[in-house]
Amino acid sequence: TQLLEQSPQFLSIQEGENLTVYCNSSSVFSSLQWYRQEPGEGPVLLVTVVTGGEVKKLKRLTFQFGDARKDSSLHITAAQPGDTGLYLCAGAVATDSWGKLQFGAGTQVVVTP
Amino acid sequence: DAGVIQSPRHEVTEMGQEVTLRCKPISGHNSLFWYRQTMMRGLELLIYFNNNVPIDDSGMPEDRFSAKMPNASFSTLKIQPSEPRDSAVYFCASSLAVAGNTGELFFGEGSRLTVL
Repeated sequence: TQLLEQSPQFLSIQEGENLTVYCNSSSVFSSLQWYRQEPGEGPVLLVTVVTGGEVKKLKRLTFQFGDARKDSSLHITAAQPGDTGLYLCAGAVATDSWGKLQFGAGTQVVVTP
Repeated sequence: DAGVIQSPRHEVTEMGQEVTLRCKPISGHNSLFWYRQTMMRGLELLIYFNNNVPIDDSGMPEDRFSAKMPNASFSTLKIQPSEPRDSAVYFCASSLAVAGNTGELFFGEGSRLTVL
């Protein structure tokens, strides 16, 4: 059982469309990170959110951390083929003394031209 | 600057053989992580080192798995004997952990292990 549940598991959209990926848990996190992984490579950090209710924007990507720090979402506006990849959320459980990161299973996003 | 360097990139071996995966973390980072990624289970944390000391090895599957970090610039993950179910991509990651916060993880390109 995953501590962090990501949905959907797979998303295929056309270039120019918008998409939202969700990351949910029953645990409270001191911080939450989003990574993107491309085939044959390791995950690369996109953003870290630490404050409940926080919203961060990175060009066409908008990240939100839930008020209770149990969930997060990633919204991509006007998706491009370069956005294709596996999107992973990772949370540091608040009660963990060394901030161990737990990863979700990921959402595979495919953006076709 | 060089990122996290892992070797080998690919390894194919037969069941029962010993496998050793190697990792060189980013210079100056004080934390090192070994993860395993499979389609079924996603990214699983195997073991975490801080200042070369193993802090959490609760994710190590069983006694066949062992990890060492003899110094700040090198770590190994060993599987002996290997089994087909160990087939996966093994990632090493490093970070600069401060005050109980692991910070951003920098991942290597992974070692793809296939055990026949």
